[in-house]
Amino acid sequence: KAGVTQTPRYLIKTRGQQVTLSCSPISGHRSVSWYQQTPGQGLQFLFEYFSETQRNKGNFPGRFSGRQFSNSRSEMNVSTLELGDSALYLCASSLRTSGDSGELFFGEGSRLTVL
Amino acid sequence: AQSVSQHNHHVILSEAASLELGCNYSYGGTVNLFWYVQYPGQHLQLLLKYFSGDPLVKGIKGFEAEFIKSKFSFNLRKPSVQWSDTAEYFCAVNLNYQLIWGAGTKLIIKP
Repeated sequence: KAGVTQTPRYLIKTRGQQVTLSCSPISGHRSVSWYQQTPGQGLQFLFEYFSETQRNKGNFPGRFSGRQFSNSRSEMNVSTLELGDSALYLCASSLRTSGDSGELFFGEGSRLTVL
Repeated sequence: AQSVSQHNHHVILSEAASLELGCNYSYGGTVNLFWYVQYPGQHLQLLLKYFSGDPLVKGIKGFEAEFIKSKFSFNLRKPSVQWSDTAEYFCAVNLNYQLIWGAGTKLIIKP
């Protein structure tokens, strides 16, 4: 069973640009969550999508947005990039069924550097 | 607001030493509890989880954790660590499918 796939793995942008990151969940998983990981802040929850609907949202500005497609693949977009957006962006998928304990399966992340 | 606290940000141990990493959460209701591990250069992966039943749960690679409801704690333990346990360890609490994460503990094992 293929794991969670994130693309691109690495990217460099400059301030003011925008970026789109992609995540393909494990087959059969309908929930996709996004996290920002930085050395100083640890893991910060961005948002979660389930069946194309945003179910939860963390405390990030509106520059951070996401969406989920009918095949459960998800994208997140960051507009007007700032230096502080440099981070590892992690995607995680889960079943999100009534019997799901909430275990997340993570991708390897997309490392964004903003210059 | 709900939060998860990991008491130590950095821990350095010698091989064969015993390990205990603390995790406390602030939520009085039913919770699912997790420890995730991130080995150098690898993705986050589940170490162990608790959602009901025996409060002492066993995970991969000889790790275990004990859920003590009265103390709101879910400490991670391993009797004898190995150099390959060098990693960052994260405690997390699942509230309505949103994981609340601790800040992580970087564990370094000296060979």
